[in-house]
Amino acid sequence: DAGVTQSPTHLIKTRGQQVTLRCSPKSGHDTVSWYQQALGQGPQFIFQYYEEEERQRGNFPDRFSGHQFPNYSSELNVNALLLGDSALYLCASSLEVGSYEQYFGPGTRLTVT
Amino acid sequence: DAKTTQPPSMDCAEGRAANLPCNHSTISGNEYVYWYRQIHSQGPQYIIHGLKNNETNEMASLIITEDRKSSTLILPHATLRDTAVYYCIVPNAGGTSYGKLTFGQGTILTVHP
Repeated sequence: DAGVTQSPTHLIKTRGQQVTLRCSPKSGHDTVSWYQQALGQGPQFIFQYYEEEERQRGNFPDRFSGHQFPNYSSELNVNALLLGDSALYLCASSLEVGSYEQYFGPGTRLTVT
Repeated sequence: DAKTTQPPSMDCAEGRAANLPCNHSTISGNEYVYWYRQIHSQGPQYIIHGLKNNETNEMASLIITEDRKSSTLILPHATLRDTAVYYCIVPNAGGTSYGKLTFGQGTILTVHP
């Protein structure tokens, strides 16, 4: 049973560029959430997708956007990258929307230079 | 979300029980307590959750006090692989944070040989 997978593992971008991160949820899960984890901090909720719609959003600017596909996989897009966007981006999936029992992927380490 | 307070760090000898406390004095009657852990360079891992009765699974036991203002996560026989940051989370049931996990600083548990 495949767990949550994310790609790429690491990514280096330049300030002002755009980036797309990808996530495949755990088998049988239809809800995907994204979190940002800065160095030394706990993860912060970005948004949650269910039925291809954004259902919940944290305190992140519109530069952060997402998408969910019919197969439940998801993308996180960040535009106009800032140095402060450097972080570990985590994807989590759950069996149902609103569930707090979430299963996390290994994350994508984004470095903005 | 109900505020939680955890000690910043704890030590434990390998093979001994690790008891991680969490205070959540503002918890509401229908709010659950969730525990996650994050091993270095990995995504968070769901451990266990409970409402008011003690809970046990293959990973840990969760003891919630009768007044529900505090809880303890117990790892019965800690191993070196249990060294991680442990997060106690009390999400806002049915409120605006539906499905959103709010991570604090957690407790850094170090298991020594």
